[in-house]
Amino acid sequence: QFVLTQSPSASASLGASVKLTCTLSSGHSSYAIAWHQQQPEKGPRYLMKLNSDGSHYKGDGIPDRFSGSSSGAERYLTISSLQSEDEANYYCQTWGSGIRVFGGGTKLTVL
Amino acid sequence: QLQLQESGPGLVKPSETLSLICTVSGGSISSSSYYWDWIRQPPGKGPEWIGTIYYSGSTYYNPSLKSRVTISVDTSKNQFSLRLSSVTAADTAVYYCAREMFGSSWGDAFDIWGQGTMVTVSS
Repeated sequence: QFVLTQSPSASASLGASVKLTCTLSSGHSSYAIAWHQQQPEKGPRYLMKLNSDGSHYKGDGIPDRFSGSSSGAERYLTISSLQSEDEANYYCQTWGSGIRVFGGGTKLTVL
Repeated sequence: QLQLQESGPGLVKPSETLSLICTVSGGSISSSSYYWDWIRQPPGKGPEWIGTIYYSGSTYYNPSLKSRVTISVDTSKNQFSLRLSSVTAADTAVYYCAREMFGSSWGDAFDIWGQGTMVTVSS
């Protein structure tokens, strides 16, 4: 079964960095994922596609503060120089065999 | 810049069929480089993929919804549509259409989202 696991919540201080994790289920460690951001009361926005080798392709207008990396079955989203507008839900998404799947999301609080 | 806009009734009665249209502007739905998707998000929950269509008409559906879902494409109008039959209160959600990159036949990332439309199932 295709599953993406995310911690429900994370927090970090204004101006600091935070690293969010998305874990692929057993047998799917080579899969690419995408990260999406959903600010309060808004629709999701595509941030980047992240491959198993750590290469990533960001959407138009996504600041350099957002970066991705990979290790084994884990996919990371790192946000540096946190700003208040980064307070949002972050969802990972993957695909395979015609199926598309979302993780449960991480709610990021900027302190 | 390509944009997606969902349209349709905001209120549907239980047991009836939910119908939505997504209009694509600023680009062609007939591009071989993209899939087109429907995704929903119940209040307070995460997104759930409903299904995908390619301009040729090929479809993929979420197994949990497959028996009730039909997605179709109208290339002459640059639109694709969603029909979800036998709705219940559990189908109440914000419904989004999205563009998906065509990296392979397995699927890819959703790279452009519509603004979403709220659909409530209630008598």
